[in-house]
Amino acid sequence: RKEVEQDPGPFNVPEGATVAFNCTYSNSASQSFFWYRQDCRKEPKLLMSVYSSGNEDGRFTAQLNRASQYISLLIRDSKLSDSATYLCVVTAGGYNKLIFGAGTRLAVHP
Amino acid sequence: DGGITQSPKYLFRKEGQNVTLSCEQNLNHDAMYWYRQDPGQGLRLIYYSQIVNDFQKGDIAEGYSVSREKKESFPLTVTSAQKNPTAFYLCASRLDRAQPQHFGDGTRLSIL
Repeated sequence: RKEVEQDPGPFNVPEGATVAFNCTYSNSASQSFFWYRQDCRKEPKLLMSVYSSGNEDGRFTAQLNRASQYISLLIRDSKLSDSATYLCVVTAGGYNKLIFGAGTRLAVHP
Repeated sequence: DGGITQSPKYLFRKEGQNVTLSCEQNLNHDAMYWYRQDPGQGLRLIYYSQIVNDFQKGDIAEGYSVSREKKESFPLTVTSAQKNPTAFYLCASRLDRAQPQHFGDGTRLSIL
């Protein structure tokens, strides 16, 4: 089993749609969680950290479920510019390691 | 502007050649990382360094070497022992364990 698993997609949605991605992780000792966005042939960029109580940043909402070991990302009112690959990232048991999921591809169309 | 600078953007390696990828940061971050990304795959950790003069192997260190002589710099050498070096190489740094990593804009390495 992979340490971080994501549905690769692609998720093809029209503008204005709401879309949700899930990510599961295997290490119950993981403490920090993040969502990154990666555009084609570019470096990953931090989208948002994920907090235990859930958190929102504009159209983006992240949730953490420690009991089931998954995190989610909800995007409301999708824009064309949201088209990208979304990477789920969790800390490994050790001090400084982050484990990246392979990403979920989102394509927003007019 | 604070950030992470990787160079070159594109690099070509001949058979049997070692090449060095540069990574410099002016964010005053202690921890630095090197990842490799292959098409359609996630990032895989090559090496990381928590502090100057110290570094640890990641998951795929074979065929690579690093040094950390200065806080700002963490160069990666892809040696001739790395038989499949073609990939997108990403350098990252972060302030501490609670913080996310920030990435440079990457180096694309190909074999001639």
